[in-house]
Amino acid sequence: EPEVTQTPSHQVTQMGQEVILRCVPISNHLYFYWYRQILGQKVEFLVSFYNNEISEKSEIFDDQFSVERPDGSNFTLKIRSTKLEDSAMYFCASTETLGVTEAFFGQGTRLTVV
Amino acid sequence: AQSVAQPEDQVNVAEGNPLTVKCTYSVSGNPYLFWYVQYPNRGLQFLLKYITGDNLVKGSYGFEAEFNKSQTSFHLKKPSALVSDSALYFCAVRDPTAGNQFYFGTGTSLTVIP
Repeated sequence: EPEVTQTPSHQVTQMGQEVILRCVPISNHLYFYWYRQILGQKVEFLVSFYNNEISEKSEIFDDQFSVERPDGSNFTLKIRSTKLEDSAMYFCASTETLGVTEAFFGQGTRLTVV
Repeated sequence: AQSVAQPEDQVNVAEGNPLTVKCTYSVSGNPYLFWYVQYPNRGLQFLLKYITGDNLVKGSYGFEAEFNKSQTSFHLKKPSALVSDSALYFCAVRDPTAGNQFYFGTGTSLTVIP
């Protein structure tokens, strides 16, 4: 069964450092997402991406965040200057189409900012 | 605004007994509803979805859910719980008239007691 893969599984970084979280969506999917889950809280939407541009973003996704699809397979989330409150599990997801299809999620990257 | 509520943080059920995990939603249009399961240190796995048609939908691992429009609910059910069903369950809604993102509930931790 096809799956979304994320690397690394765990990243520890110092406050103020830049991090890049990587994702390989399912190959025939066209829509890509990043979500995050702070420990003990709900899964929150960050951003969606289609046709090489952001289609939606939440209030969480401020200027410190950016996304990119640098090649035909990878989808990255960059946090420019990490803060303690960025510590969370970050999930990448992809869907084949809009609307009725379910999203397929990766196993997540646990980001710890110290 | 779109939102999902899972009123129970924790549900305990004895193995072999039926289980119910509750979910209510609020959307401005017709909802697309989803259930996901999260095992420890894993990503979100799709269980089932309601888009249209029969109010009772069946999904993976023997789970089913009933869409109730008048009560705006989409409760997850299983006739006979297994210890291996112990996990975190998330209800999610997508409103195609209001963007493409999934809105998640806070999650319900299900423990099946042997």
